[in-house]
Amino acid sequence: QVQLVESGGGLVKPGGSLRLSCAASGFTFSDYYVSWIRQAPGKGLEWLSYISGNGDITYYADSVRGRFAVSRDNAKDSLYLQMNSLRAEDTAVYYCARTAGDSTGYPTLFDYWGQGALVTVSS
Amino acid sequence: DIQMTQSPSILSASVGDRVTITCRASQSISYWLAWYQQKPGKAPKVLIYDASRLESGVPSRFSGSGSGTEFTLTISSLQPDDFATYYCQQYNNYSWRFGQGTKVEIK
Repeated sequence: QVQLVESGGGLVKPGGSLRLSCAASGFTFSDYYVSWIRQAPGKGLEWLSYISGNGDITYYADSVRGRFAVSRDNAKDSLYLQMNSLRAEDTAVYYCARTAGDSTGYPTLFDYWGQGALVTVSS
Repeated sequence: DIQMTQSPSILSASVGDRVTITCRASQSISYWLAWYQQKPGKAPKVLIYDASRLESGVPSRFSGSGSGTEFTLTISSLQPDDFATYYCQQYNNYSWRFGQGTKVEIK
């Protein structure tokens, strides 16, 4: 069965960096876009970034562009999110999600999600 | 950027009730919309995609409709397992924005 497991969350000071990982199993990882989505405590969902199956296409939300970088290692069935210049407002649960595509390959909806990793930015 | 607005924010209902949640887009998104259910402490789960297509394994009491800028999620007969928060999400034009959520609580 499809499984996504995030790791790497924790407490970091404002201005600091953190790298999240997401280990995938149960599907051909390189065939799929994958995305990062976050949820601040008690708040709604915010899409952050996606990366194409071979890693040559990435896209970011305005809120994280220039600070966060998504990457993947298909040999390890793993997705990463490098987060730099972290702010208090980046405190959230971070989810990785397999991203379905339409007939042209355009990423659409998030059909499988991990359990999430909590990132807390505080001094 | 396309904005997604859900209403109501909170909905109080009883088991067996018919429940409708609305999602409005700030501009036309055709039928490029999904609905998710999220329970406390859990990841969201997709219910509906392409505005009205039921995801495999989702009970038939869930249905979606709409196109353009106005969409609805309907639960025909609310079950105890359905008390949760529901989000719409659009995937048109390189934007993957969610609505703010609708919490369905026990009346």
